[in-house]
Amino acid sequence: DTAVSQTPKYLVTQMGNDKSIKCEQNLGHDTMYWYKQDSKKFLKIMFSYNNKELIINETVPNRFSPKSPDKAHLNLHINSLELGDSAVYFCASSQDVGYTFGSGTRLTVV
Amino acid sequence: GQSLEQPSEVTAVEGAIVQINCTYQTSGFYGLSWYQQHDGGAPTFLSYNALDGLEETGRFSSFLSRSDSYGYLLLQELQMKDSASYFCAVRDQTGFQKLVFGTGTRLLVSP
Repeated sequence: DTAVSQTPKYLVTQMGNDKSIKCEQNLGHDTMYWYKQDSKKFLKIMFSYNNKELIINETVPNRFSPKSPDKAHLNLHINSLELGDSAVYFCASSQDVGYTFGSGTRLTVV
Repeated sequence: GQSLEQPSEVTAVEGAIVQINCTYQTSGFYGLSWYQQHDGGAPTFLSYNALDGLEETGRFSSFLSRSDSYGYLLLQELQMKDSASYFCAVRDQTGFQKLVFGTGTRLLVSP
């Protein structure tokens, strides 16, 4: 059973398109996150939700809109995709000190 | 703000011991964590130090000195499968909701 699952694993799309990434966790954790990992492998937090409430929005362009319908799900919608959005996006969840990450979504904007 | 510095790359041979250092600057401190990430994979949690000293988990140990804003990950009896990137991370003043990662250290283990 996958603890944190993301779909899709790969996403190739053209500039200007809108796309969504879905994330679900079955660990019962209260807090979920979206992280972006760039080509230099730098991991940067984008959003944090605690029990469906937005806690952190790390100065991400408003083209990125997270949605948490319940505490087990955190989706990410991206409007008007740009070349610079190409990266690996990781969903994660935590209850205590350790984060559990999903397998990532590699987004390529062409 | 926060910043965490790590060496960009470390190389070692199988069976050796390697130490990956991490120095940090943060407003507020709620512990130092370490994560391992294989190429194409997800970061996985290795260890957490809230207090000064050494924490041992099998072949891996992690050390923290809060007065020096410094920690390290020690990997013993290196195996080929330990080749991966290793990240230190700290929580900032907001507490549990924001984990800030270091620049990452790529470990290459050779036969």
